[in-house]
Amino acid sequence: KAGVTQTPRYLIKTRGQQVTLSCSPISGHRSVSWYQQTPGQGLQFLFEYFSETQRNKGNFPGRFSGRQFSNSRSEMNVSTLELGDSALYLCASSLTTSGGFNEQFFGPGTRLTVL
Amino acid sequence: AQSVSQHNHHVILSEAASLELGCNYSYGGTVNLFWYVQYPGQHLQLLLKYFSGDPLVKGIKGFEAEFIKSKFSFNLRKPSVQWSDTAEYFCAVKITTGANNLFFGTGTRLTVIP
Repeated sequence: KAGVTQTPRYLIKTRGQQVTLSCSPISGHRSVSWYQQTPGQGLQFLFEYFSETQRNKGNFPGRFSGRQFSNSRSEMNVSTLELGDSALYLCASSLTTSGGFNEQFFGPGTRLTVL
Repeated sequence: AQSVSQHNHHVILSEAASLELGCNYSYGGTVNLFWYVQYPGQHLQLLLKYFSGDPLVKGIKGFEAEFIKSKFSFNLRKPSVQWSDTAEYFCAVKITTGANNLFFGTGTRLTVIP
């Protein structure tokens, strides 16, 4: 079974631009979560999507948004990029049915650098 | 707010030494606990997890962790490390009645010297 895939793997943008990152979950997984990983803050939860609906959201500004498609693929978007948005963005998928919790399987991440 | 603390930022050990990495969390309710590992250039992988029952849990590659509820701790241990254990280790907590997301510690980098 193929793992979680994320595209692109590396991205360089400048301040003020916007960016869209993509995540394809493991086949059959319906929950997709996004995390931001930085050296100082570690991994911080951004949001979770399940059945095309945002189910949970972390403490990030509205510039960070996401969506999920009917095939469970997910995208996250960051608008008006700031230098502090430079990070590794990780996507995790799980089977999770409503109200349950299953192991989250992580993708390789997208390394975003904002100049 | 919930938080997860990993006090060791970087640990350097020689092969065959014993390992213990600390993890403490700040939530007083029921939690699920996890240790993830990130080998150089690889994805985060689950090492072990605790949901309920025996507080001593065994994971892959000879790792184990002990949940001590009174200390809000979930320390990771391995009796004898190998060079291949060089990686970054993350402790994570999920609040059982809360949202379906993990709270991570900032990670501990382990370097094992051959």
